[in-house]
Amino acid sequence: TQLLEQSPQFLSIQEGENLTVYCNSSSVFSSLQWYRQEPGEGPVLLVTVVTGGEVKKLKRLTFQFGDARKDSSLHITAAQPGDTGLYLCAVMDSSYKLIFGSGTRLLVRP
Amino acid sequence: EPEVTQTPSHQVTQMGQEVILRCVPISNHLYFYWYRQILGQKVEFLVSFYNNEISEKSEIFDDQFSVERPDGSNFTLKIRSTKLEDSAMYFCASNAPLEYEQYFGPGTRLTVT
Repeated sequence: TQLLEQSPQFLSIQEGENLTVYCNSSSVFSSLQWYRQEPGEGPVLLVTVVTGGEVKKLKRLTFQFGDARKDSSLHITAAQPGDTGLYLCAVMDSSYKLIFGSGTRLLVRP
Repeated sequence: EPEVTQTPSHQVTQMGQEVILRCVPISNHLYFYWYRQILGQKVEFLVSFYNNEISEKSEIFDDQFSVERPDGSNFTLKIRSTKLEDSAMYFCASNAPLEYEQYFGPGTRLTVT
């Protein structure tokens, strides 16, 4: 079973600041997904990265897949209170089930 | 935009009772999953389902659990005799053939008393 480590576990920042969260493993993945989850709700898919070195942008969110496809980062520019939530990375194993990290809980203070 | 739906949103049951959690996956998807998330813990895989049979199940998915696709739209998870430790959020997910993206429903909060 692949182990995904996410860091930091918690992050509290002021509105307008930039931040980066990380998802790391010692294993190589064919793809990696980022989800955002709010309390009492299901994970909402943000992006899938597939190619080593790939960078994808979703408005103020920038996702990067490491060259070796072992790690990924999510960068948020000018964070807003609406960005508050639990950010999860997940990988699909050979049997197509998702394995999740523990997540980074982000709080953006107004 | 198509979405996965789940009912009920919250289910309270007594220990030992049977519960059925219901899901309607996205209509053109063929792969279906159940995951659960105990409060404050990771989302963890329970079972995957394809072509009307279980593809894989985790250690959590013991004989008390079963899944069914009774018709062309619904996908259900049954727990025969609930235990206190079954209390969790249960999420249904689905994905289309040859695609990485899995889409999750809003979840059912199961509380066993």
